[in-house]
Amino acid sequence: QKEVEQNSGPLSVPEGAIASLNCTYSDRGSQSFFWYRQYSGKSPELIMSIYSNGDKEDGRFTAQLNKASQYVSLLIRDSQPSDSATYLCAVLPGGSYIPTFGRGTSLIVHP
Amino acid sequence: EAEVAQSPRYKITEKSQAVAFWCDPISGHATLYWYRQILGQGPELLVQFQDESVVDDSQLPKDRFSAERLKGVDSTLKIQPAELGDSAMYLCASSLDSYNSPLHFGNGTRLTVT
Repeated sequence: QKEVEQNSGPLSVPEGAIASLNCTYSDRGSQSFFWYRQYSGKSPELIMSIYSNGDKEDGRFTAQLNKASQYVSLLIRDSQPSDSATYLCAVLPGGSYIPTFGRGTSLIVHP
Repeated sequence: EAEVAQSPRYKITEKSQAVAFWCDPISGHATLYWYRQILGQGPELLVQFQDESVVDDSQLPKDRFSAERLKGVDSTLKIQPAELGDSAMYLCASSLDSYNSPLHFGNGTRLTVT
């Protein structure tokens, strides 16, 4: 079974710090990777997609992909209390049309 | 920005009753997904449609769950009879295609079975 692993946390960081969220996946043929943010009681909302090795930046968010090591990470710079949420990693395994989600990492940004 | 529409937002039902959820994907999105999310866990796929065809329903408990997308647009997920363990968030999502496009989620339906 193709798996996506995330540390459930919570990860606690002070306001203004960099939050680093990590995700590993089991299927080496995976090609598409997504990060979602989910506030308590709400549905997931897309933050970023990444398809190639390296970094992809969008505002305060940077996604990093390393296919050789089979991990994808999300960095949040200048963390704000409003960033407090669960962050879900989703992976589209190679040869599959079914996106698989990790269980999510809870992030707490304290003032 | 276009959104995925879901209804109802909340549903409370007694066990053994029937319940139905509706989803209208973003216009032009060929792929539609129903996920179930239990508190503290990631979403788990129940069924995936490509247009009106089922791509995968291997995790759908077919003795009690059914899903359809008759005209390849909106979709209905039904549970009959509902069981206590069905209490969860039911999420509908759509994507432009099933190859590498991201999923866009609706607001979800919070189901409580008593």
